[in-house]
Amino acid sequence: NAGVTQTPKFQVLKTGQSMTLQCAQDMNHNSMYWYRQDPGMGLRLIYYSASEGTTDKGEVPNGYNVSRLNKREFSLRLESAAPSQTSVYFCASSLGTIQTNQPQHFGDGTRLSIL
Amino acid sequence: AQSVAQPEDQVNVAEGNPLTVKCTYSVSGNPYLFWYVQYPNRGLQFLLKYITGDNLVKGSYGFEAEFNKSQTSFHLKKPSALVSDSALYFCAVREGNQGGKLIFGQGTELSVKP
Repeated sequence: NAGVTQTPKFQVLKTGQSMTLQCAQDMNHNSMYWYRQDPGMGLRLIYYSASEGTTDKGEVPNGYNVSRLNKREFSLRLESAAPSQTSVYFCASSLGTIQTNQPQHFGDGTRLSIL
Repeated sequence: AQSVAQPEDQVNVAEGNPLTVKCTYSVSGNPYLFWYVQYPNRGLQFLLKYITGDNLVKGSYGFEAEFNKSQTSFHLKKPSALVSDSALYFCAVREGNQGGKLIFGQGTELSVKP
């Protein structure tokens, strides 16, 4: 069982380039999330989608856009990459919305470096 | 605003000894508290949660956590540590009446030596 699959696993970009991080889950979950993880700062929510067709900003949305393509897939786009966006990006999903307190299931991350 | 703090960046324990990873929180409503574990180059895995009821919560891999409302703490514990418990541990809080997003602590690196 795959769970949450993120592609690519690693990527190096130059400043100003664009890129889309892909995420897919096979657990029929309703909610999906994008986080970034930086040393000493824990995880910070970028965007989330409570259900197919809806998206909402999280704590650090600037410089990012998202698309909930269907129930399975939730992509994160960097339109013009900046060195400050160098980070490890995690996608997660949960059966219910955040308010139901159900556990989030995480992918293994995309390690993104912007030169 | 809600927040969560993990006061120790690193905890070192000998195998077989009890371990504690500390977490304190700040919310204005009812807290919903979670512990997650992260192994190297992997995503986070859910360990346990406190929503309501018994202050002692049991979770995966023999871990438990104690909710203390007066001290606003939710410390993670295990009676006997294993080398395989070595990982990065995150505490997270969701405030019940504030939109529901999870706020994560900065993480505590647990190292268990044989």
